[in-house]
Amino acid sequence: QKEVEQNSGPLSVPEGAIASLNCTYSDRGSQSFFWYRQYSGKSPELIMSIYSNGDKEDGRFTAQLNKASQYVSLLIRDSQPSDSATYLCAVRTGKLIFGQGTTLQVKP
Amino acid sequence: NAGVTQTPKFRILKIGQSMTLQCTQDMNHNYMYWYRQDPGMGLKLIYYSVGAGITDKGEVPNGYNVSRSTTEDFPLRLELAAPSQTSVYFCASSYLVGRQYTGELFFGEGSRLTVL
Repeated sequence: QKEVEQNSGPLSVPEGAIASLNCTYSDRGSQSFFWYRQYSGKSPELIMSIYSNGDKEDGRFTAQLNKASQYVSLLIRDSQPSDSATYLCAVRTGKLIFGQGTTLQVKP
Repeated sequence: NAGVTQTPKFRILKIGQSMTLQCTQDMNHNYMYWYRQDPGMGLKLIYYSVGAGITDKGEVPNGYNVSRSTTEDFPLRLELAAPSQTSVYFCASSYLVGRQYTGELFFGEGSRLTVL
């Protein structure tokens, strides 16, 4: 079982819709959870971090964490074409381990 | 601000050749990392360092070596290049808040390596 799993996609949503990105992890002792965005040919950049169960909102982005289910998600409201990128889930279990990423396509 | 600087940005190697990917950060970060990213895949941790003189293996360390003689520099050495090492390599750094590192990584622009 992979330590951090994501559906590779692509996930295609129309402009203005809500995009929902999901991630599961295997280590119950994981402490910190992150979402990175990576545009094609560029390096990843941090967009959200979450450390406790529940929701965390930042502008159009909401991160959700459920440690009992070992599940973390990212919601993007009012999706824009500029949100089209690969979204990487990362989990800290001592080291920072990344999932394979989900490619999001937002169609005008 | 320079942040994390990687060199070279592109390199083509022949099988069996050796090379060093250079990484320098000017943010005085304690933690530094090397990741590789294969096409359509996430980041795999090769090696990391929690400070000068301290390094440890990540998920995929075979075929690589690192050293950390200063806070600023964290070079990655490939001794005998193999086609399986064709990838994009990212160096990153992060910092401590109190006694915990934040998990926010600052990445270099990447080094694209092809082994033929």
